[in-house]
Amino acid sequence: DAMVIQNPRYQVTQFGKPVTLSCSQTLNHNVMYWYQQKSSQAPKLLFHYYDKDFNNEADTPDNFQSRRPNTSFCFLDIRSPGLGDAAMYLCATSRGRLNTEAFFGQGTRLTVV
Amino acid sequence: AQSVTQPDIHITVSEGASLELRCNYSYGATPYLFWYVQSPGQGLQLLLKYFSGDTLVQGIKGFEAEFKRSQSSFNLRKPSVHWSDAAEYFCAVGARGFGNEKLTFGTGTRLTIIP
Repeated sequence: DAMVIQNPRYQVTQFGKPVTLSCSQTLNHNVMYWYQQKSSQAPKLLFHYYDKDFNNEADTPDNFQSRRPNTSFCFLDIRSPGLGDAAMYLCATSRGRLNTEAFFGQGTRLTVV
Repeated sequence: AQSVTQPDIHITVSEGASLELRCNYSYGATPYLFWYVQSPGQGLQLLLKYFSGDTLVQGIKGFEAEFKRSQSSFNLRKPSVHWSDAAEYFCAVGARGFGNEKLTFGTGTRLTIIP
């Protein structure tokens, strides 16, 4: 019954080695978001897609990229992970743009070694 | 710019006792307000939201929250907590006319339940 599915749940990557996190949704929602949440902190929006329209937050590092090949899937690519990128990465979706409820996946815990 | 303050980093409550988690916001107009809950190692789940109308909002799992414009607050309450309520709780404020890309989260309150 999971509606927003993130894979993997736990990811260990080496310093500087590219890594991709994936998110899929069965809700057919237009909007998909990627958040970064570091320990004991609030989620921080990295970017979002409205359909195929990509919107990057101004302070998101260039090291973070995203792809949305279709409505159901969205990927977060970290080109050269640093130790400071270790965090929980949350994917979320919403039906529309105007303050509708966001549905979150369970997150991917990224460890950088 | 909007902001959210959750003044309590950590709260401990006995099972069966009442609960109130505080949230104060800063926004130039009437905001959209949300409470999310995050269990350990999980994503966020919406408990309740306020957009307009009745200032007392009922949510899931027996939670409610009251919007008080004069105090710029949106405190979360539950009359009797259960051990399963132990989690991190996030208050969030959204900007009218925008989507969740303008959602600002507070830093969270960790709730511990003791027997």
